[in-house]
Amino acid sequence: SQQGEEDPQALSIQEGENATMNCSYKTSINNLQWYRQNSGRGLVHLILIRSNEREKHSGRLRVTLDTSKKSSSLLITASRAADTASYFCATRGGSGGSNYKLTFGKGTLLTVNP
Amino acid sequence: GAVVSQHPSRVICKSGTSVKIECRSLDFQATTMFWYRQFPKQSLMLMATSNEGSKATYEQGVEKDKFLINHASLTLSTLTVTSAHPEDSSFYICSARDGGPYNEQFFGPGTRLTVL
Repeated sequence: SQQGEEDPQALSIQEGENATMNCSYKTSINNLQWYRQNSGRGLVHLILIRSNEREKHSGRLRVTLDTSKKSSSLLITASRAADTASYFCATRGGSGGSNYKLTFGKGTLLTVNP
Repeated sequence: GAVVSQHPSRVICKSGTSVKIECRSLDFQATTMFWYRQFPKQSLMLMATSNEGSKATYEQGVEKDKFLINHASLTLSTLTVTSAHPEDSSFYICSARDGGPYNEQFFGPGTRLTVL
C-alpha cells in the first residue's frame, strides 16, 4: 500500500501567497523527505526531517513532522511562479538494516499563478 | 551535492526490442542504487534495489526477467528493458546512495522511454 499520501492532490495559488501541502503515512519511519519535480524532470531534494525532529526550515520552506499523527506538512512562503511543480513526500522506514527504501506519496501538483 | 546521471535522457524504440538505461554516480561511490518507474501524473514506484556485486532485489509485481539490472561497479548500474512493449513506456528514474553516515539518496534526471 502507498506509504505517503499527500493532500491536496492539486493546489492553485497566486504568486506571493503561501502554499501548504500535507503528507500522511502509515508505518514507523526513520525520516521523511520532501522532493520537487518539474514536469518531465528528475527529482530535486528539498528537505529531510528526522523522526526525532518536529520542525525544520530551509529558506522559504518550513516542514513539520508529527509522529503521533503520522503526518507532515510542507509550507512554501511567498510563493513564486517558479515554484510551480509537483511535490512529493517520501518516507524511509525505521525497521533497521542499512538498505532503507524510500516510499513516495502520490504528490501534490502546485500551480503558482503570476 | 552528489550528482547522478542517466543516459539516455530519451529513447524511442520499436515493440519487441531491448533498451538499456545507464545510471552513473559521478562523484561518489554508490553502494546501493534504486530504480523507479513513474507513469504520467503518478508517483514514483520502486522497481528494484541493487547492491554492487550482488543480485538486485525486485519489488513485488516487477518481473526480474523483463527488467534486468546490473550493478557491476560502484559507479554504474544499468537497467535493461527486454522485449519492450508499449505498456513499458514510462519515465524511469534511478537513484544512488553511498555508504556514508548520511545515507542520502541522490536522484538522476530520468529517462523517458517510448515504445512504439
